[in-house]
Amino acid sequence: KNEVEQSPQNLTAQEGEFITINCSYSVGISALHWLQQHPGGGIVSLFMLSSGKKKHGRLIATINIQEKHSSLHITASHPRDSAVYICAAPQGGSNYKLTFGKGTLLTVNP
Amino acid sequence: DAGITQSPRHKVTETGTPVTLRCHQTENHRYMYWYRQDPGHGLRLIHYSYGVKDTDKGEVSDGYSVSRSKTEDFLLTLESATSSQTSVYFCATDSRKGDQPQHFGDGTRLSIL
Repeated sequence: KNEVEQSPQNLTAQEGEFITINCSYSVGISALHWLQQHPGGGIVSLFMLSSGKKKHGRLIATINIQEKHSSLHITASHPRDSAVYICAAPQGGSNYKLTFGKGTLLTVNP
Repeated sequence: DAGITQSPRHKVTETGTPVTLRCHQTENHRYMYWYRQDPGHGLRLIHYSYGVKDTDKGEVSDGYSVSRSKTEDFLLTLESATSSQTSVYFCATDSRKGDQPQHFGDGTRLSIL
């Protein structure tokens, strides 16, 4: 089974700061997922990436397959970015059964 | 979005009663999943389906059963609910096409007293 670890567990930032959330996994994978969950809300998939970098607006996700590590960056953070960010990796041998990290709670203060 | 509807959105019931949660999708995705989300555990896979009448167990399947009689519907049943099954349940679908990620429903908050 793939073990997925996220850091930090909690992160508080001031509006405008650059944010980095880290994710490491134990078993080699084909693609890694990043998701966002607002308090009391549903879950939205942000990225699915297998190599290099992906960007969507102020969000950037990177992955290093050799080091089994991925990062999610938020540039010019805003209070509306406050949410739980979750990474997920396929379980060993299966691309569609995911193991999820416990999430990083991000709070961006105005 | 994938047009996923979960019903009910909230339910309170008593220990020992049967409960069925429904996930309905309009995007004709082949793969469907049921997860539970609990504090300190993150999302955990209960059961998944890779086609009509094709289902398999996830990591926390004990006490749960599923059925998928048509592409658009995936049912999760708690045959005899226990307090440990109090949780938020999410359904997700996956087209498995290219780099398309899983799409999630809005969740069902289930409380078992």
